[in-house]
Amino acid sequence: KQEVTQIPAALSVPEGENLVLNCSFTDSAIYNLQWFRQDPGKGLTSLLLIQSSQREQTSGRLNASLDKSSGRSTLYIAASQPGDSATYLCAVRESGYALNFGKGTSLLVTP
Amino acid sequence: ETGVTQSPTHLIKTRGQQVTLRCSSQSGHNTVSWYQQALGQGPQFIFQYYREEENGRGNFPPRFSGLQFPNYSSELNVNALELDDSALYLCASTTQGERTEQYFGPGTRLTVT
Repeated sequence: KQEVTQIPAALSVPEGENLVLNCSFTDSAIYNLQWFRQDPGKGLTSLLLIQSSQREQTSGRLNASLDKSSGRSTLYIAASQPGDSATYLCAVRESGYALNFGKGTSLLVTP
Repeated sequence: ETGVTQSPTHLIKTRGQQVTLRCSSQSGHNTVSWYQQALGQGPQFIFQYYREEENGRGNFPPRFSGLQFPNYSSELNVNALELDDSALYLCASTTQGERTEQYFGPGTRLTVT
């Protein structure tokens, strides 16, 4: 049974810092991995989608990498801003249709 | 292009009652999934609909049921509500295929008292 783990559970950094969020999964037989952002009490905003054949994806200040063989993905946020404060979730897509989510990393960027 | 919408935003129900939540898929998407997110947890997959048929289900009892309509909008129905059903319910739409990106709506917050 696939298990998705995100470390750390919570993170507080001063504005301007570069930071890395980690996601690990136990079964490497995935189709893709998706990173989401969730503001308190709100829905999920898709940030990046990495297919299993890809190594990384970039969007603006965000860069996500995927090492399928070791069951790891990282989300790198450059030059963090207070507006980046949110919970970040990673999810893997296996055979079938469901996304399997981690519990998320709660990020606070202080001015 | 319109995004995924859900209604209502918030809902309060009493234990034992029934509830219907609604979702309108993003334009061009023919597949809809429903997820339950308890406080402090990641979303858990309930089921998925494609061409008005359920084609995947997570570990949820039969009192969780759904419908998908010809215009690809969808409903989630929960019977005999329990206190543990209190959660944020999220709808996601996509096109059929294993490698497609999923787009989520804003969610419906259900509170069962």
